[in-house]
Amino acid sequence: DAGVTQSPTHLIKTRGQQVTLRCSPKSGHDTVSWYQQALGQGPQFIFQYYEEEERQRGNFPDRFSGHQFPNYSSELNVNALLLGDSALYLCASSFGDSYEQYFGPGTRLTVT
Amino acid sequence: EDKVVQSPLSLVVHEGDTVTLNCSYEVTNFRSLLWYKQEKKAPTFLFMLTSSGIEKKSGRLSSILDKKELFSILNITATQTGDSAVYLCAVGKTSGSRLTFGEGTQLTVNP
Repeated sequence: DAGVTQSPTHLIKTRGQQVTLRCSPKSGHDTVSWYQQALGQGPQFIFQYYEEEERQRGNFPDRFSGHQFPNYSSELNVNALLLGDSALYLCASSFGDSYEQYFGPGTRLTVT
Repeated sequence: EDKVVQSPLSLVVHEGDTVTLNCSYEVTNFRSLLWYKQEKKAPTFLFMLTSSGIEKKSGRLSSILDKKELFSILNITATQTGDSAVYLCAVGKTSGSRLTFGEGTQLTVNP
């Protein structure tokens, strides 16, 4: 049973560029949440997708957008990258409204 | 604003010691509290607590929730070097399944 997978593992981008991160949920899960984790901090909620729609959103600017596909996989897009966007981006999957979320290994984004 | 506070922020112990990690919260419409262990990247799920006073146990780890005093503790007995990790506490609300995390406690277990 495959767990949550994310790609790529690492990414280096320049300020102003755009980036797309990908996530495949655990088998049987239909909900995907994205979190940003800065060094030494706990994860911060970005948004959550369910039935291909954004169901909830955290306090992040519109530069952060996402998408969920019919197979429940998801993408996180960040436009006009800032140095402060450097972080570990975690994807978590769950079933329906369950709080029991299972995390992927994350994508380490470095913006120079 | 919702708040989840963990203490201590870091802890160094010797193998065999027992540790207690704390998590207090101030959230509206509380629904559940979760503990995760983060070793390198992916936080791994440990416990979910929704009812006050009922201890959840898994091997040497146990956790309990106090909804009146708004806190939870995570106990680890007979610690091993493999317990070294960041332990994250998160809270879920009734208005959706997003989680609000604390900063985490960095636990280091020395041989």
